[in-house]
Amino acid sequence: GAVVSQHPSRVICKSGTSVKIECRSLDFQATTMFWYRQFPKQSLMLMATSNEGSKATYEQGVEKDKFLINHASLTLSTLTVTSAHPEDSSFYICSAPPKGERSYNEQFFGPGTRLTVL
Amino acid sequence: GDSVTQMEGPVTLSEEAFLTINCTYTATGYPSLFWYVQYPGEGLQLLLKATKADDKGSNKGFEATYRKETTSFHLEKGSVQVSDSAVYFCALSDSSSASKIIFGSGTRLSIRP
Repeated sequence: GAVVSQHPSRVICKSGTSVKIECRSLDFQATTMFWYRQFPKQSLMLMATSNEGSKATYEQGVEKDKFLINHASLTLSTLTVTSAHPEDSSFYICSAPPKGERSYNEQFFGPGTRLTVL
Repeated sequence: GDSVTQMEGPVTLSEEAFLTINCTYTATGYPSLFWYVQYPGEGLQLLLKATKADDKGSNKGFEATYRKETTSFHLEKGSVQVSDSAVYFCALSDSSSASKIIFGSGTRLSIRP
């Protein structure tokens, strides 16, 4: 099946710094990618929808100035956590439906990035 | 809004045991239902899905039936293997937006040889 990669797989940073997480579709193009956040023993929560060539769409309660999303190409979306704080520590997961997939039901997920803010 | 509730884990079984992981949902419309699996160190993978009431999704020996009357989509397998050890997520496509998937909290399954 289609492969989505994330980099880095885990990152530890100091409070106040910014961290960039990359999501790449390796063997297919994706005009849309999704960013999720998962707290321990909790559901994946959709944070935002990344759209190639246009602004991201954020879910209610997600600060767009804190979680900057850039969909630079048809195979790359980045999530930057700005001025990170310990409460931002979480597991961040991206997903992508192949270009042309209408319902987005067939999403392919990355392995996730574990962010720890000290 | 729509939501998914699934059995809390971890669940530990012996090889060849029967598996059931319960999942119930709340939705205002007619969502599609999914089971995703996450093997250690890998991304989530779609295991099976059902798009309408009474549909049965099946894959790799796993089955789940879309039960509208009980709003359930329980995952079953007759004889589990060590290789089935993973985290299983029940999910639905949001009634208001086909692009949004709502996940349950996940159930960690461990199979003993």
